Amino acid sequence: AQSVTQLGSHVSVSEGALVLLRCNYSSSVPPYLFWYVQYPNQGLQLLLKYTTGATLVKGINGFEAEFKKSETSFHLTKPSAHMSDAAEYFCAVSDDTGTASKLTFGTGTRLQVTL
Amino acid sequence: DSGVTQTPKHLITATGQRVTLRCSPRSGDLSVYWYQQSLDQGLQFLIQYYNGEERAKGNILERFSAQQFPDLHSELNLSSLELGDSALYFCASSVGAGGSNEQYFGPGTRLTVT
Repeated sequence: AQSVTQLGSHVSVSEGALVLLRCNYSSSVPPYLFWYVQYPNQGLQLLLKYTTGATLVKGINGFEAEFKKSETSFHLTKPSAHMSDAAEYFCAVSDDTGTASKLTFGTGTRLQVTL
Repeated sequence: DSGVTQTPKHLITATGQRVTLRCSPRSGDLSVYWYQQSLDQGLQFLIQYYNGEERAKGNILERFSAQQFPDLHSELNLSSLELGDSALYFCASSVGAGGSNEQYFGPGTRLTVT
């Protein structure tokens, strides 16, 4: 079974600082990987995804993630944090049989941005 | 706005009751997924439908059932409700059924069982 581990349930950064949210995956086949963001009392919004091809993936709101097979990692970064980035972030891996799929989520990382 | 709609937004009911949650996917999406989010279990996959056909099942309780109708909307039925069923229930949709497809999430239905 596939799984993801998010290191750090809470991360605090200053406005303007680098954001780094860590995600490691476990998969027996080449994975499809996703990052989602959840703002308070809202649904999940897709930030970016990795399927195949380029290992550096750019997403919305200035976020990007790099797929590193050797490290089984898919960490999310943003060069400069904004107050509006404060939210919960979820890494997910897709379990894909070709004609069916499901997302397996990590436990989430709550990002706090301080002045 | 993801284009996925869910009703109702909030639902408060008593133990032992039955409720139905409704989801309308994005226009053009054929696949619908249901997820449960709770403090205890985190985000858990429940079930997937594609064009009316069940395609994948997670740890969905026998008291829960779902279906996808010809117009592609989906309903999640929860019966014999217990306090532990209190959670946020999300619906998501995607164009295709496979794992490379992006899943777009609705705003969720918050279920409170008292």
